[in-house]
Amino acid sequence: DQQVKQNSPSLSVQEGRISILNCDYTNSMFDYFLWYKKYPAEGPTFLISISSIKDKNEDGRFTVFLNKSAKHLSLHIVPSQPGDSAVYFCAASPNAGNMLTFGGGTRLMVKP
Amino acid sequence: NAGVMQNPRHLVRRRGQEARLRCSPMKGHSHVYWYRQLPEEGLKFMVYLQKENIIDESGMPKERFSAEFPKEGPSILRIQQVVRGDSAAYFCASSPFGGRRETQYFGPGTRLLVL
Repeated sequence: DQQVKQNSPSLSVQEGRISILNCDYTNSMFDYFLWYKKYPAEGPTFLISISSIKDKNEDGRFTVFLNKSAKHLSLHIVPSQPGDSAVYFCAASPNAGNMLTFGGGTRLMVKP
Repeated sequence: NAGVMQNPRHLVRRRGQEARLRCSPMKGHSHVYWYRQLPEEGLKFMVYLQKENIIDESGMPKERFSAEFPKEGPSILRIQQVVRGDSAAYFCASSPFGGRRETQYFGPGTRLLVL
């Protein structure tokens, strides 16, 4: 049973446009959410996080939105750049414990 | 390089051999997490360790897998009598205090191939 789902395995966006990556979760015990970016043959790199007490967190070109009632979060990248092309994972942490539960990833391709 | 270090980056083993994967956390971090990524899947939690203690091993297979984080030296993930299904990328992450809502920083991973 997948507790964190990224339903779009891939997304293609034109350079300069907005990229929106989505993530859904089922476990009500999750209260901290993170986005990681991963290039081939490398480890995940932390991008941005959000606590369940917030509904938005922004860091430069990256903004994460959290809708707790819908158990949905999204990552917005504006403007998208070719260097953003990578696999993006959302992850969730429960209010008791430190383990991260990851989604299956979305491959973002930003075309020049 | 102050990041999380893992070695080897690639490891090839034949069925029945042992695999030892090493992880040195970021400087100042004393909490280590191991995750496994099967092809075309997300990362799955295996074990969480603090120096000399296993805190949470709920994601570890019951047999053949063990982990340690000694007082001195790197954390070791050990897989005995490897099988082809163990082929995966194994990632280690670290955090400074093991606190709630603490970001985990990942190493480059060890890619294990079992022939």
